[in-house]
Amino acid sequence: EAQVTQNPRYLITVTGKKLTVTCSQNMNHEYMSWYRQDPGLGLRQIYYSMNVEVTDKGDVPEGYKVSRKEKRNFPLILESPSPNQTSLYFCASSSPGGQGWSGELFFGEGSRLTVL
Amino acid sequence: ILNVEQSPQSLHVQEGDSTNFTCSFPSSNFYALHWYRWETAKSPEALFVMTLNGDEKKKGRISATLNTKEGYSYLYIKGSQPEDSATYLCASPSGTGTYKYIFGTGTRLKVLA
Repeated sequence: EAQVTQNPRYLITVTGKKLTVTCSQNMNHEYMSWYRQDPGLGLRQIYYSMNVEVTDKGDVPEGYKVSRKEKRNFPLILESPSPNQTSLYFCASSSPGGQGWSGELFFGEGSRLTVL
Repeated sequence: ILNVEQSPQSLHVQEGDSTNFTCSFPSSNFYALHWYRWETAKSPEALFVMTLNGDEKKKGRISATLNTKEGYSYLYIKGSQPEDSATYLCASPSGTGTYKYIFGTGTRLKVLA
């Protein structure tokens, strides 16, 4: 079954304790990205990756790091989490398609992170 | 930054009613317009990806149109059912040389039985 898998789904942590949210897709997609969802703000892109070893910032990258060492995996790293990073996080992947943008995004189930 | 706006923010309709929502985006440097359906406690799922001006796409009772010259897309739901209750998101790539997606804040639809 084609899917994007995120872990953990739920996490409560404390300020400053490094954490990683994993994302894995089994569709051989080139494009992967991370979003955060906050009330009233819609989905905002944190980082994206066009392929292995190619990553770039989205609109809200501060406080986050990513890596793309393998095509299927795109972990999101919070080196020193702060309360303003409390949010619902989604990973997504796609194959951009012939026009570069015609591939739909496939989303993971979301990771709800609380930083105390 | 590209601004993608959706209206209305939320609406309630009766079962059987037809409804529509709007997504507006800057018409310059257009690449694509995506529609997603997002049910509570689930992840967003793609409805349509539209790339050409005048595109019309349909999936069951849901359809969408695209006007890239004036920068808007409409999503229509015919004969709404309670299972159509969800948040409907649109998104568009932000422009040349980047691969950022800009999402609207969504239209939250509640269909009353």
